[in-house]
Amino acid sequence: GQQLNQSPQSMFIQEGEDVSMNCTSSSIFNTWLWYKQDPGEGPVLLIALYKAGELTSNGRLTAQFGITRKDSFLNISASIPSDVGIYFCAGLRGGSGGSNYKLTFGKGTLLTVNP
Amino acid sequence: SAVISQKPSRDICQRGTSLTIQCQVDSQVTMMFWYRQQPGQSLTLIATANQGSEATYESGFVIDKFPISRPNLTFSTLTVSNMSPEDSSIYLCSVEAVYGYTFGSGTRLTVV
Repeated sequence: GQQLNQSPQSMFIQEGEDVSMNCTSSSIFNTWLWYKQDPGEGPVLLIALYKAGELTSNGRLTAQFGITRKDSFLNISASIPSDVGIYFCAGLRGGSGGSNYKLTFGKGTLLTVNP
Repeated sequence: SAVISQKPSRDICQRGTSLTIQCQVDSQVTMMFWYRQQPGQSLTLIATANQGSEATYESGFVIDKFPISRPNLTFSTLTVSNMSPEDSSIYLCSVEAVYGYTFGSGTRLTVV
């Protein structure tokens, strides 16, 4: 099925550094979601974005919904060791229609934080 | 946000056998979703389960291989039938929540 283009695929950073990752798509989404998955767990929602241009923060995390509705980015500031994990973006078209409630996932960004 | 209990959390199964995974939600939901996450990969939607009707399967997934039950608005099961090593994956259920979609903790299946 269709997937979002998420980059980078992996990142190795030092504790305290800032991190940025993004997702792009050839088609429009009306909702963007960012998830984190720890080993042995299901994805946990970090931030939800509902409007083009929206910028939302959750602690050290900031995410933006691109103005074209075809992209989104996630920033993590002052990284700490527990930020380690896989981060996924997901898009939702929404509205009426058979496939509009289904999430489309990016391939994930594996983040490693060196203490 | 909805809380999902999924079990078993992991299992090791012999090829040719079947495993049924259960998903219990603490609130009534219209749609429940089943995903597969192959090793090192992203999540792929298997099917959408609505109470009172047959599940809707995505391309590449069929009912004979992945039968789904949805007996009420808080519970669903996914069966992985006639398993082969290629079925080794994490299987997750998900529901729509107030803010985005919530996922269970997953079932890690290893087929030997």
